[in-house]
Amino acid sequence: QQQVKQSPQSLIVQKGGISIINCAYENTAFDYFPWYQQFPGKGPALLIAIRPDVSEKKEGRFTISFNKSAKQFSLHIMDSQPGDSATYFCAASIGSSNTGKLIFGQGTTLQVKP
Amino acid sequence: DADVTQTPRNRITKTGKRIMLECSQTKGHDRMYWYRQDPGLGLRLIYYSFDVKDINKGEISDGYSVSRQAQAKFSLSLESAIPNQTALYFCATSDFPRGADTQYFGPGTRLTVL
Repeated sequence: QQQVKQSPQSLIVQKGGISIINCAYENTAFDYFPWYQQFPGKGPALLIAIRPDVSEKKEGRFTISFNKSAKQFSLHIMDSQPGDSATYFCAASIGSSNTGKLIFGQGTTLQVKP
Repeated sequence: DADVTQTPRNRITKTGKRIMLECSQTKGHDRMYWYRQDPGLGLRLIYYSFDVKDINKGEISDGYSVSRQAQAKFSLSLESAIPNQTALYFCATSDFPRGADTQYFGPGTRLTVL
């Protein structure tokens, strides 16, 4: 049972374009939604995260949009660069559970063409 | 120096063999996690530990066991490896709830079971 569904599985974008990755969740108890970035041969690393008390969070070229009623959140990468080519994972957790357990989406492989 | 290290980085073994993957961290975090990554399935939690005496099963613990030898060391064992345990394995640490929810991942171990 996949509690966090991520799409698309792969994405090709031209340099300078906008990359958009979407995630949907089922459990309304989730209250923390991070995105992790993974380069080949490396472990995932936190990119940006949001909590449901805001609808959008921006850090540089990376923005999370959050729609609580639709139970969806997305990552937007503006002015995509070849260096952004990586695998991106959305995730969700229940902070109040105190476990820190993350439920990950399936991952999206992004390729930014020069 | 890497904060979270994993050994070995690559391992090829045969069906039925016992194998241990090791994780060490210098971040001083109490919480440690083991995940496996499979294409199209994302990262799935195998086991997690809040401290040396507190170990918990994740969503896919069957066929695996763990040992928390010290705050800094968390090992994952496959008692009798089978081919469908071929995957990329990651260890992660977290300072939650003392600190942020962020999980810090090691570089991974690529395991192939023939």
